[in-house]
Amino acid sequence: GAVVSQHPSWVICKSGTSVKIECRSLDFQATTMFWYRQFPKQSLMLMATSNEGSKATYEQGVEKDKFLINHASLTLSTLTVTSAHPEDSSFYICSARGLGGYALAGYLQTGEQYFGPGTRLTVT
Amino acid sequence: DAKTTQPPSMDCAEGRAANLPCNHSTISGNEYVYWYRQIHSQGPQYIIHGLKNNETNEMASLIITEDRKSSTLILPHATLRDTAVYYCIVRVPNNAGNMLTFGGGTRLMVKP
Repeated sequence: GAVVSQHPSWVICKSGTSVKIECRSLDFQATTMFWYRQFPKQSLMLMATSNEGSKATYEQGVEKDKFLINHASLTLSTLTVTSAHPEDSSFYICSARGLGGYALAGYLQTGEQYFGPGTRLTVT
Repeated sequence: DAKTTQPPSMDCAEGRAANLPCNHSTISGNEYVYWYRQIHSQGPQYIIHGLKNNETNEMASLIITEDRKSSTLILPHATLRDTAVYYCIVRVPNNAGNMLTFGGGTRLMVKP
């Protein structure tokens, strides 16, 4: 099974509303989670890095007040897109990195990144 | 992380071997070569990684040149489901300050 899950897998929202995306690590503790964004036919671009219990570090050009990241536990991080606009429509992918050990998916290397399946956001 | 260069696209006939090249001429001695792929509308999937020796797993083989400045990912018998964007990344593994950075990748199209 998947090591990292995301919810929802797709969402459509109206302009001006906020959307929350959840990222969960299954059977392992994610000390660090990453949020990427991918526009059509482009590569993944890192938005921010979050460590459990501390504030996220945002990449240059990413508005921290618009993309709120919370990493309150070792298995859950959330990305909230506030006051979404059509230009925020994108594919959002989380990735988790944590301690090694055995999980359902097999042996996990310490420090390696595991990706979620992504969330397709469409803002109308 | 060292930068990598990959061809933007490649075609491969179904059942044939797909050989995807990657140049990483500025790779450091402690950096590994990683390969991921991304099937349309899915998250990236880990394929394989290596330091200097050739590696093989159930998905693919990785051939790294002796000077480590380039590598080739080999899918021995490509299927239609292998159509995806393949990313070559060099990085120091298990480095807490080192996240995966994606370049343009190679869009592999497997044709019947």
